Amino acid sequence: GNSVTQMEGPVTLSEEAFLTINCTYTATGYPSLFWYVQYPGEGLQLLLKATKADDKGSNKGFEATYRKETTSFHLEKGSVQVSDSAVYFCALTRGWVAGGTSYGKLTFGQGTILTVHP
Amino acid sequence: EPEVTQTPSHQVTQMGQEVILRCVPISNHLYFYWYRQILGQKVEFLVSFYNNEISEKSEIFDDQFSVERPDGSNFTLKIRSTKLEDSAMYFCASSVGGSRGEKLFFGSGTQLSVL
Repeated sequence: GNSVTQMEGPVTLSEEAFLTINCTYTATGYPSLFWYVQYPGEGLQLLLKATKADDKGSNKGFEATYRKETTSFHLEKGSVQVSDSAVYFCALTRGWVAGGTSYGKLTFGQGTILTVHP
Repeated sequence: EPEVTQTPSHQVTQMGQEVILRCVPISNHLYFYWYRQILGQKVEFLVSFYNNEISEKSEIFDDQFSVERPDGSNFTLKIRSTKLEDSAMYFCASSVGGSRGEKLFFGSGTQLSVL
């Protein structure tokens, strides 16, 4: 079945440091890939996504590129801020399936806690 | 941005009791979901719901679980006879459609503690 493996946390960085959170996946076909973020006391929010190989998702200075050859979707940001402190989840949905099946079943990684200090 | 609302934020119940977790999805959304996260584990899919019926469910979603959209605005998850291992954070989510790459909107969760 499908699975997602994320870099173990927690990750602690100083403000303006470079961030990488590794994510690799196992799936059949061509899944869609996502990064969700959860700020304290809030629900998960979509940060960025990519739906086909070599696509780059980006939002709020974060980027991730869908690498089919390495089955990876690593999250990067060039200069983190204190406000980026949150839990980051890598996730995927299944590849295209004939018959109109919903693609709302997400398979998540274990989450990575990021803390950014001033 | 519109929000998915979950109530209560915390619920404590005794083992064997029935519990209902409530969610108000975003009003124009058509697909609804429940996920859960046991402490220290991954967020897991439980069930998806569309057009007043379950469209997909996981192995976790056994006969003890049921979902309902009783009045066109609320979406509920019922656990008929709670077990200790049902203790988890339960997240409701909704989406406009069910297509590839669809964005899910999550509520902030209900922390269920079974004693």
